[in-house]
Amino acid sequence: KAGVTQTPRYLIKTRGQQVTLSCSPISGHRSVSWYQQTPGQGLQFLFEYFSETQRNKGNFPGRFSGRQFSNSRSEMNVSTLELGDSALYLCASSLRRARGENEQFFGPGTRLTVL
Amino acid sequence: GDSVTQMEGPVTLSEEAFLTINCTYTATGYPSLFWYVQYPGEGLQLLLKATKADDKGSNKGFEATYRKETTSFHLEKGSVQVSDSAVYFCALSDLKSNSNYQLIWGAGTKLIIKP
Repeated sequence: KAGVTQTPRYLIKTRGQQVTLSCSPISGHRSVSWYQQTPGQGLQFLFEYFSETQRNKGNFPGRFSGRQFSNSRSEMNVSTLELGDSALYLCASSLRRARGENEQFFGPGTRLTVL
Repeated sequence: GDSVTQMEGPVTLSEEAFLTINCTYTATGYPSLFWYVQYPGEGLQLLLKATKADDKGSNKGFEATYRKETTSFHLEKGSVQVSDSAVYFCALSDLKSNSNYQLIWGAGTKLIIKP
């Protein structure tokens, strides 16, 4: 079974631009979560999508948004990029079961550099 | 609310040394516990897990025992290798008190193994 895939793997943008990152979850997984990872702040939860609806949201400004498609693929968008948005953006998928451990499976991440 | 506390890093050891990375948690329910590992330049991957008290998770020579009485899930390995150098994250899933299905993450512990 293929793992979680993220595209692109690397991205360089300039301040003020906007960017869209893509995530394809493991087949059968309907939950997709996004995280931002930086050396200073560690792993921070952005949001989660399940069945095309945002279910949970972390403490990030409205410049960060996302969506999920009917095939469970998800995109996140960051508008008006700032230097502080430079980070590794990780996507994780899970089954989101009512019982069980709800293990998350991570993609390799997209490394975004804002100049 | 639920939380996970890990020992601060970096932890620096010589090859073949014994490793312990401490993880303690607070939870109102009966959480499942996880250790994830992130190798340089990669996403997170599940290392091991335990779903109930006294369970022992193990993988690649690493072990962790779910201790309800001490609310701990310490990661151990008898003889570390240079290839174990990575960042290790402890996490929990507690659907009883955290119905949003999100994992609660520790801050991560960087492990450096010197030859």
